[in-house]
Amino acid sequence: GAGVSQSPRYKVAKRGQDVALRCDPISGHVSLFWYQQALGQGPEFLTYFQNEAQLDKSGLPSDRFFAERPEGSVSTLKIQRTQQEDSAVYLCASSLLFGGGRSNEQFFGPGTRLTVL
Amino acid sequence: GQNIDQPTEMTATEGAIVQINCTYQTSGFNGLFWYQQHAGEAPTFLSYNVLDGLEEKGRFSSFLSRSKGYSYLLLKELQMKDSASYLCAVGKTYNAGNNRKLIWGLGTSLAVNP
Repeated sequence: GAGVSQSPRYKVAKRGQDVALRCDPISGHVSLFWYQQALGQGPEFLTYFQNEAQLDKSGLPSDRFFAERPEGSVSTLKIQRTQQEDSAVYLCASSLLFGGGRSNEQFFGPGTRLTVL
Repeated sequence: GQNIDQPTEMTATEGAIVQINCTYQTSGFNGLFWYQQHAGEAPTFLSYNVLDGLEEKGRFSSFLSRSKGYSYLLLKELQMKDSASYLCAVGKTYNAGNNRKLIWGLGTSLAVNP
């Protein structure tokens, strides 16, 4: 596709419910990133993949958060037993190469706004 | 450790010039990005600096001093549509060069008034 897409755009979950957020990166992009963004804040790094390998998951706030990219393209961020503090916008970004400099430029999807009641 | 600082809010007048500063501390520095984010939308790329100096692109320019850990984004001939959050992001190489990611500031909310 022309850009990064995410689905759903909006998700309302009851506390304790499991949710799955999907990201379709730009075709051919090697790196894929997940961020959590609270209102009025910058993106907070959650995890990133190079192809199918999850190279860094240090930003995942708890073991309720899990991400995968099994075939090196589409990625899913799963949150188990959601809590109110999980309410945020979840942004996915992809970048072209695993390299330095401008190839680090990240292209963002529109985000999924998660509201946990 | 790593730290990125930028002002929380700024206000400017339509047609004027505004400079948004960003200071950073990080190991493995690998370039600095500026992104623009309108409310409810995803961040979009504005500029990239890896060498010291000024990069100019239309109404927007970005400056970098690596020795000072300092960058600024300069917006000229401000328009109402420039009201947005401006995010400074530092490229970082870590894990013996095997990993790369962007470290993000909290963003500067710019309000352009008529």
